[in-house]
Formats: sequence, structure tokens, C-alpha cells
Amino acid sequence: QSALTQPPSASGSPGQSVTISCTGTSSDVGGQNSVSWYQQHPGKAPKVMLYEVSRRPSGVPDRFSGSKSGNTASLTVSGLQPEDEADYYCCSYAVSHTYFVFGTGTKITVL
Amino acid sequence: QLQLQESGPGLVKPSETLSLTCTVSGGSISSSSYYWTWIRQPPGKGLEWIGSIYYSGSTWYKPSLKSRVTISVDTSRNQYSLKLSSLTAADTAVYYCARRGGDPSFDYWGQGTLVTVSS
Repeated sequence: QSALTQPPSASGSPGQSVTISCTGTSSDVGGQNSVSWYQQHPGKAPKVMLYEVSRRPSGVPDRFSGSKSGNTASLTVSGLQPEDEADYYCCSYAVSHTYFVFGTGTKITVL
Repeated sequence: QLQLQESGPGLVKPSETLSLTCTVSGGSISSSSYYWTWIRQPPGKGLEWIGSIYYSGSTWYKPSLKSRVTISVDTSRNQYSLKLSSLTAADTAVYYCARRGGDPSFDYWGQGTLVTVSS
């Protein structure tokens, strides 16, 4: 149950789009559609931004979108805003339904 | 509005056992379809799922921590607890309690509590 692989950092100017990846295996990301994404600002608890790959909880802007292909899930933030600068973590439920695994985390910087 | 609040000591000695409690307010811990979870984050590092419990007492643990972890629930107090034994410095982290829904994702989180393992 190794951590899912994310790039350490990504960046974009206000108004631009940024996409970050989350790579796992067929035992987690690739095995089902139970991938969620979390935003974490410094010193704060994480906040769920997407669940079931691409579903947005109430109150999350539609600038946040998700997709999955094979063992890799992706989060896209369109129309970047200064408040989007944060750490982002993906998370997958295991196919066995016995554990969860988080990604290594990606810091999005708004230039 | 559902709220979760962690409580417990902020400093624990190596080889001892960490004990934390999460108090749930604004909703019942006995609600079906929800699983009550512990997640931790070492300083400057990523998130790590520790384990989850259903109100009935069924538990799921991270395999690599399973031998040291016990999660229990007290429905009468609307609380659940974490015990982690044989502590080392590597267990120093912010410990979060969170609610897992049926989707499954973690939709409500406590503010987190820093636990330092040091003599």
C-alpha cells in the first residue's frame, strides 16, 4: 500500500489552468472510481474538493474538475485564483475495500 | 452543522501509548453509512490514513500499523478513540479525526491535534 504518486509542485498564473496527476495501481486508483481530492491550506484541515473521481461536493466551484485514465487520476483547476494556492492530495479506496491510500501531495502556486 | 474535535495529550514518551478521542457534535455517531476515521500528517509531510470504525464496532486499519492500532467507539458519548502503541519519533504528527461517507470520501474533519513523541 505505497503512497500514490503526485508531482511535488505545479504552478500557473491567475486565470490559467493547472492539472496535477495521481498515479497508483490496479489495486487502488485503477481498480474503481473511488478517488477523492483534498485541498489543504497551511495550518488548516484538508477539505474535500472532488469525490468519486469527478463529483463536486456542494459549495466547491466548478473550476475544479477531475478525470481518470487507467491507474492515473487527474485534478484540473481552471481559471486559477489566488485562493487556490494550497497543497492538494489525492486519495483512493483500495479495491479490496479494506484501506485507503493518499497521494504524496502537490503544492499549487499561483504566480 | 457537524463538528469533530480531537482531544488528548500533546506530548508522549517513546515506547508509550498514544490515546486520542474525537468528540462528534451536531450529529449522531450512530448514523448509518458513515465511518469514523483517524488520519495523521507528520510535520511538513503528507496525509496517512490510520483506520476507520463503524458505529457497530467494525474496524479497518492500515495494514502496516495494524499491530499497534486500536480504534474504538462509544456511542453513548458520541465519541470514538484512537490508541497507538510502541511509539517512536516517527509517530510525531498532527492527528485528525474525520467522517467518511459512503461515496467514499472524508467530508468532515476536526481541526487536528499535534502529538509529539519525545522523552
